[in-house]
Amino acid sequence: ETGVTQSPTHLIKTRGQQVTLRCSSQSGHNTVSWYQQALGQGPQFIFQYYREEENGRGNFPPRFSGLQFPNYSSELNVNALELDDSALYLCASSFRGAEEQYFGPGTRLTVT
Amino acid sequence: QQQVKQSPQSLIVQKGGISIINCAYENTAFDYFPWYQQFPGKGPALLIAIRPDVSEKKEGRFTISFNKSAKQFSLHIMDSQPGDSATYFCAARRGAGTYKYIFGTGTRLKVLA
Repeated sequence: ETGVTQSPTHLIKTRGQQVTLRCSSQSGHNTVSWYQQALGQGPQFIFQYYREEENGRGNFPPRFSGLQFPNYSSELNVNALELDDSALYLCASSFRGAEEQYFGPGTRLTVT
Repeated sequence: QQQVKQSPQSLIVQKGGISIINCAYENTAFDYFPWYQQFPGKGPALLIAIRPDVSEKKEGRFTISFNKSAKQFSLHIMDSQPGDSATYFCAARRGAGTYKYIFGTGTRLKVLA
């Protein structure tokens, strides 16, 4: 059984650019949630995907968007990057309705 | 109503001591309360969790105490070890539908050898 994996590990982008982050869910998990973790803060819920559709969203603007693929892997896209988007982006997978969710190692995004 | 308040922000404990981290919530729709441990450069790892119909859960050196009427829950780490030095987050899940998790702001624990 493989755990949650994310790519890339680190990324540096310039303000105004666009970025795509990727997540492979744990084997058997059909739900993916994305979180933003600013330095020294707890993870903040961005959105969740189930059956390839967005299933709930936190307080993030529309320039944060995502996709889920038939194999349950997922992408997080951020357009028009701002300096405040610099953070650790975490992906968590779970089985729909189950309580436990498991996090990947995260992608560290730096916007300059 | 969506907040989970966590304290203390940081904690220093001697090896062998007891570490206690507290969390409070407002939303009675929360139905699952996990604790996560995070080491620098890593994602949070599920440590232990509890449902609101249980007042205490113990797994090894880790215990969750849950007070439903006070809307509070806490993590106790017995016999704290230097390897326990990490940041701990409490969280609460709003069940049904989105299964959205709300996290506390974290407690940085340092266990002195």
